Parts: sequence; C-alpha cells; structure tokens
Amino acid sequence: AAGVIQSPRHLIKEKRETATLKCYPIPRHDTVYWYQQGPGQDPQFLISFYEKMQSDKGSIPDRFSAQQFSDYHSELNMSSLELGDSALYFCASSQAVGIASGNTIYFGEGSWLTVV
Amino acid sequence: SQQGEEDPQALSIQEGENATMNCSYKTSINNLQWYRQNSGRGLVHLILIRSNEREKHSGRLRVTLDTSKKSSSLLITASRAADTASYFCATVVDNTGGFKTIFGAGTRLFVKA
Repeated sequence: AAGVIQSPRHLIKEKRETATLKCYPIPRHDTVYWYQQGPGQDPQFLISFYEKMQSDKGSIPDRFSAQQFSDYHSELNMSSLELGDSALYFCASSQAVGIASGNTIYFGEGSWLTVV
Repeated sequence: SQQGEEDPQALSIQEGENATMNCSYKTSINNLQWYRQNSGRGLVHLILIRSNEREKHSGRLRVTLDTSKKSSSLLITASRAADTASYFCATVVDNTGGFKTIFGAGTRLFVKA
C-alpha cells in the first residue's frame, strides 16, 4: 500500500540558508500535517492543511512557511536556518472527514535536517 | 506541563515481562491514539480508543481509557526484544474549525533479550 512519501530523507544546510522539504500524502488523503521532532523530544505540531487551505497552526516559527498544492502534496520552506532547527521533520496525512471519530494519521519516515 | 504527559519516561524490562505505559491529558478529547517509533523512524499507529470506550485490545496490546481521570494506559504483554521503541500517546481534541492531534513526550521502552 502507498505510504506518505517525504523528500529528501537527509539534508545538510548551513546557518542562514534555506531548505525545502516535500511531502506526498497517501492517495485520497486531503489533510497534511507537519511535525518537528528534536533529538530526544516528542513530535511538535507545526502546521496542517486541509484541501489546500491552512487548517491549523502550531509552533511553527515565522521563518518557516508551508503550502499544499493542487495535487495535495505539501512543501515546508525554512529560511534563515538556525542550529536549533536541526531535527527530524515528519509529514503525515489523513482523511479529514471523520477525523473526530478516529481516522488514523499516517506518518512518513521523516526528513533529517542538519544545520551546521 | 503539556497535553499528553507520559510516564514512565523510560522503562527497561526482560523479554517475556509485561510493560505498562501511562498517559495523562488535560482537555476533553475525541479519541486517544498510541503510536510507536523506532529510533529515527516514522511513527507507526498502534491502536485508537474513542472517548466513549474504556478498553480495547489488539494482539498483545491492551489500552484503557479513563476520561474521569483524563488518563490512558498501554499494556504490552509478553514483551519481545523487537518491542524496544518509543511509545507515544496522542490526543485528538476539538480545535476551532477542525481537530488537533497532540503528542506526549513518549516512553522509551527497552526490552532485554
């Protein structure tokens, strides 16, 4: 079965550079979520999109932006990178209808960002 | 403290023993889900329990939910070395215009062979 695809899997950037992460949700999933997980920390919600519109916003820095495109894939853009941005970035997808009744969120394998 | 606090933070047991992990939360929830994460990998959904359910089983997993105490527990019976991973609870709560999933800090489980 198709899963959530993230690219790149690993990325090394220097401070103040820009990075873009891509996420391809499971087919027919209309909601995409982005999470950030620092070393030894729990996943922190950044932002989510439903039907190409931002649906919720978490602890996403102003230096970061994201969007969902017409084909439902999403991109997370990170600018003016800082050392503290080094983390594993997860994308997840789900079908919004029925989320309250428990539609599962499926996670990608994550993109490792290292800022040096 | 934040939604989805878990204890213990780390647990080390022998293969064959049972492992119990607890999760507490603060706000009303729609449902609570447990996820597993192997080091540096994505989170894998294990089991979901709805707010009107009290107990649920899936294989060697047993989840309980006590909405009056705002807590849940995950029991893994007859643990195996392959169960070594971090386990997270996630609560799905109503949010203006939608729903939000909030993860707890996780319990690091180490099963010794």
